[in-house]
Amino acid sequence: DTEVTQTPKHLVMGMTNKKSLKCEQHMGHRAMYWYKQKAKKPPELMFVYSYEKLSINESVPSRFSPECPNSSLLNLHLHALQPEDSALYLCASSQRGVWGFGDTEAFFGQGTRLTVV
Amino acid sequence: GQQLNQSPQSMFIQEGEDVSMNCTSSSIFNTWLWYKQDPGEGPVLLIALYKAGELTSNGRLTAQFGITRKDSFLNISASIPSDVGIYFCAGLNNAGNMLTFGGGTRLMVKP
Repeated sequence: DTEVTQTPKHLVMGMTNKKSLKCEQHMGHRAMYWYKQKAKKPPELMFVYSYEKLSINESVPSRFSPECPNSSLLNLHLHALQPEDSALYLCASSQRGVWGFGDTEAFFGQGTRLTVV
Repeated sequence: GQQLNQSPQSMFIQEGEDVSMNCTSSSIFNTWLWYKQDPGEGPVLLIALYKAGELTSNGRLTAQFGITRKDSFLNISASIPSDVGIYFCAGLNNAGNMLTFGGGTRLMVKP
């Protein structure tokens, strides 16, 4: 099983709304990632969690707030977003955490298509 | 941050033709990954490469990890219409915590 599950698949939210994106994997992976992808562009790294601790924050605005409640779950809390934040948000996981060992393939979920109006 | 140069940006080929795309970097990577992404979907892992010089196949796909660890290529043989999509290379850094993507190659196959 190489499945990373993201919910919801589509989300439309107003600029004053608070919403959350969810990501789940049951592969025992110790690293989980959030990426943002604009149309016709490659995914851009936002956050990396390794062993449930935030290890990388790629200077993401505070209106995006990640959370890793346990080793299988990763959330992205959204608040006061702007229309330019509309994008495909991708979650990924890999077995290897920071300074860890093991396979390093990263598997992606299907993404959440976010539209901010 | 690290940059991966992927080429070509797009290809329009006839069904049955072979395809080749590559990625180069100014930095060394420990792992190279190749993904295919369909519109509105997440990237799907095609091939993973772990050692310099490694040549790996997955059906009609063949990829190689360059000997300098700064480049990789992907070949698709006998293309079919379902090969249409965007192909991304990605390099994983030594710490194994950052995956950097190339700009993507958009493949279009004419039946």
